Amino acid sequence: DIQMTQSPSSLSASVGDRVTISCQASQDIRKYLNWFQQKPGKAPKLLIYDASNLETGVPLRFSGSGSVTDFTLSISSVQPEDIATYYCQQYETLPRTFGQGTKLEIK
Amino acid sequence: EVQLVESGGGLVQPGGSLRLSCAASGFIFSGHEMNWVRQAPGKGLEWVSYISASGETTHYADSVKGRFTISRDNSKNSIYLQMNSLSVEDTAVYYCARDPSPMVRGRGAFDVWGQGTTVTVSS
Repeated sequence: DIQMTQSPSSLSASVGDRVTISCQASQDIRKYLNWFQQKPGKAPKLLIYDASNLETGVPLRFSGSGSVTDFTLSISSVQPEDIATYYCQQYETLPRTFGQGTKLEIK
Repeated sequence: EVQLVESGGGLVQPGGSLRLSCAASGFIFSGHEMNWVRQAPGKGLEWVSYISASGETTHYADSVKGRFTISRDNSKNSIYLQMNSLSVEDTAVYYCARDPSPMVRGRGAFDVWGQGTTVTVSS
């Protein structure tokens, strides 16, 4: 199985800060990576697909980059409504696997 | 509006069975592959099972293989998850999740999610 490792596991940022979350795959997944946002008590929401494509309706402050094994989710200017846990997930092969999550808090 | 609505969760004793349902609306259901994903309390996300658009192909996580069965009825725009031999480790919120249309996006996964249904396995 492909292991997905996210870092950091949690981070605290001030409104307006730029934040970056990393995700590393244990083997080559080409571009087949999603990023999800999950707020407490809610279902995950797709933010980024194919590593760098913004899902329709997602604010432009979110962006994704990377390929092969190393990927990044960036938020250019954190807003209060961005408080959530963020997950990466690969769909290069089954089983589809998720990172362990990164919890974003606002200072 | 594109929507997935899960049902069938509840409290069940270890060793028991439960059948989850996911009803789809707002899109051409027969054109999409579908999945079940679960989340144990306070934990991360775990993919559980996949079914192709026709229903002919299914896949399972090792943790549920041989105990869970995924199926679909395209005439009812629904997928199902039959869960047998349940253990406390199966306690989780179960989500159904759609894969995007391959004709629109190529390879993809989990672009639409339901709200989840809670399964609690406890004596």
